Amino acid sequence: DAKTTQPNSMESNEEEPVHLPCNHSTISGTDYIHWYRQLPSQGPEYVIHGLTSNVNNRMASLAIAEDRKSSTLILHRATLRDAAVYYCILRDRTRRDGGTSYGKLTFGQGTILTVHP
Amino acid sequence: DTGVSQNPRHKITKRGQNVTFRCDPISEHNRLYWYRQTLGQGPEFLTYFQNEAQLEKSRLLSDRFSAERPKGSFSTLEIQRTEQGDSAMYLCASSLGNPSSYNSPLHFGNGTRLTVT
Repeated sequence: DAKTTQPNSMESNEEEPVHLPCNHSTISGTDYIHWYRQLPSQGPEYVIHGLTSNVNNRMASLAIAEDRKSSTLILHRATLRDAAVYYCILRDRTRRDGGTSYGKLTFGQGTILTVHP
Repeated sequence: DTGVSQNPRHKITKRGQNVTFRCDPISEHNRLYWYRQTLGQGPEFLTYFQNEAQLEKSRLLSDRFSAERPKGSFSTLEIQRTEQGDSAMYLCASSLGNPSSYNSPLHFGNGTRLTVT
């Protein structure tokens, strides 16, 4: 599985924007970029995903570099409830043998986001 | 959508005992995944089911671990002869799986925390 690199931790103040970076220099053409987050004592939850174009949803925005070797998750106004571990994951739509991917996610260690009041 | 349900939430057992965890996925989801997470690490993939068929198992899944998904609905994960190293959070996730939804998000439960004394 292609690897992603994220900072171990980041801090933000409440109601300020947060930009969480992710490097994925070995990304392949069939890899989608997915973001999940894990709040304390909960299972991970889906945030957003994209392939080439920037994406927006009610939770966040995803900005993808033109060469796709990096991406940034943007939380427009951080709240205390956004304090979590954020995981950037590459999800391959195809298996190496050409079959359809089972869609499993391979998690790294993620970025611990702390939000200060 | 009642979400993915896992039981029990916590399990304390003595080394050498057998334990079984249950996962009830979202009802229309045909894909089911088991993950294990230790403190400070991201979740690690254990195994995957499509309907009742177990299609992939991680090398992390030793012979003491077995998972089933009879009738393609709920799933159980059993650990025989538990060891202290088995102490972890065991997470279950489900998703839709067909060629048009290979990017369907995984929906995680809140896990079963196992402590082996």
